[in-house]
Amino acid sequence: GAVVSQHPSWVICKSGTSVKIECRSLDFQATTMFWYRQFPKQSLMLMATSNEGSKATYEQGVEKDKFLINHASLTLSTLTVTSAHPEDSSFYICSVATYEQYFGPGTRLTVT
Amino acid sequence: GIQVEQSPPDLILQEGANSTLRCNFSDSVNNLQWFHQNPWGQLINLFYIPSGTKQNGRLSATTVATERYSLLYISSSQTTDSGVYFCAVAATQGGSEKLVFGKGTKLTVNP
Repeated sequence: GAVVSQHPSWVICKSGTSVKIECRSLDFQATTMFWYRQFPKQSLMLMATSNEGSKATYEQGVEKDKFLINHASLTLSTLTVTSAHPEDSSFYICSVATYEQYFGPGTRLTVT
Repeated sequence: GIQVEQSPPDLILQEGANSTLRCNFSDSVNNLQWFHQNPWGQLINLFYIPSGTKQNGRLSATTVATERYSLLYISSSQTTDSGVYFCAVAATQGGSEKLVFGKGTKLTVNP
């Protein structure tokens, strides 16, 4: 299966600042990556589909100007949370897809 | 869109016991995966099983696509099996479609 890394593992930032999360596909060239969000004790919800070389596709209710996604290469997608607020605190997980999806270890964001 | 229901929501077992987790889905699917989320949040792929039966060690899974359900069996449970088990489905073949997750079954295995 595909191996996916994320950086950072956890981050604390102040309200109003921006945070960038990286998702790397280490052994697979991923034309498509997915970004999910998971609140405590809840399930995963898809935020957006990241497409290499083109614009991301956002799910209904996800603010594209707040959650900026860039998929500049076949091995790297980034998610930038702009002007973060405490309600953005969550666990962010990315995945890559072969015939099944493989997930990164996640990034825990805390906004104070 | 597709709805995914998992049961039971919580399950507590003694080490060595067997268990069955269920996943019901509302429409035809071409992709069904079972995951184990460990206490650190990492999702571990257990099975890719849009239909049929698969086994991997103490774990096995069966999907009856015509009846729209899948079962995950855990035999001789160990404390390391603790965590949340998710079922996720997609309507299109391959990994290019978004997965819809169930709410999960939280399993606690006591020594």
